[in-house]
Amino acid sequence: ETGVTQSPTHLIKTRGQQVTLRCSSQSGHNTVSWYQQALGQGPQFIFQYYREEENGRGNFPPRFSGLQFPNYSSELNVNALELDDSALYLCASNSDIRTTEAFFGQGTRLTVV
Amino acid sequence: KQEVTQIPAALSVPEGENLVLNCSFTDSAIYNLQWFRQDPGKGLTSLLLIQSSQREQTSGRLNASLDKSSGRSTLYIAASQPGDSATYLCAVPEYGNKLVFGAGTILRVKS
Repeated sequence: ETGVTQSPTHLIKTRGQQVTLRCSSQSGHNTVSWYQQALGQGPQFIFQYYREEENGRGNFPPRFSGLQFPNYSSELNVNALELDDSALYLCASNSDIRTTEAFFGQGTRLTVV
Repeated sequence: KQEVTQIPAALSVPEGENLVLNCSFTDSAIYNLQWFRQDPGKGLTSLLLIQSSQREQTSGRLNASLDKSSGRSTLYIAASQPGDSATYLCAVPEYGNKLVFGAGTILRVKS
């Protein structure tokens, strides 16, 4: 059974550019959530996908968007990058849409310069 | 709106001490509570999940308790070791699997 994997591990982008982060959910898990963690803070919920449909969104602007694929892997896209988007982006998977244990990937460190 | 607070924000102890990390939440209508460990710049490792019907959960030297009515959970670490140094986060689901996190407790265990 493979865990949650994210790619890339590190990324440097210029303000105004677009970025795509990827996540493979744990085997058998159909629910994927994305979180943003700024330095020294707890993770903040961005959005969640369940069976390829968005199922809940946090307080993030529309330039944060996502996708979930039939194999339940997911992408997080951020357009028009701002300096404040610099953070650790975490992906979590759950076995079901109901409240179950969350398993996280190792994260992608995004730096916007 | 659910809010989660963790106390203390940072803790430094000598090796071998038993210690307690605290987590409080404002809405007691939770399904479960999860404790995580995070090493610097890394992802989250799930330590313990306590269901709302449970009072405590144990894994090795870790014991987590839950008191829903008072909106509190504690993580007890016995016989701390330098390898326990990390940030410890608690989280509760607000709806579905959306987690609301505290800011974490940074633990340093000195050898």
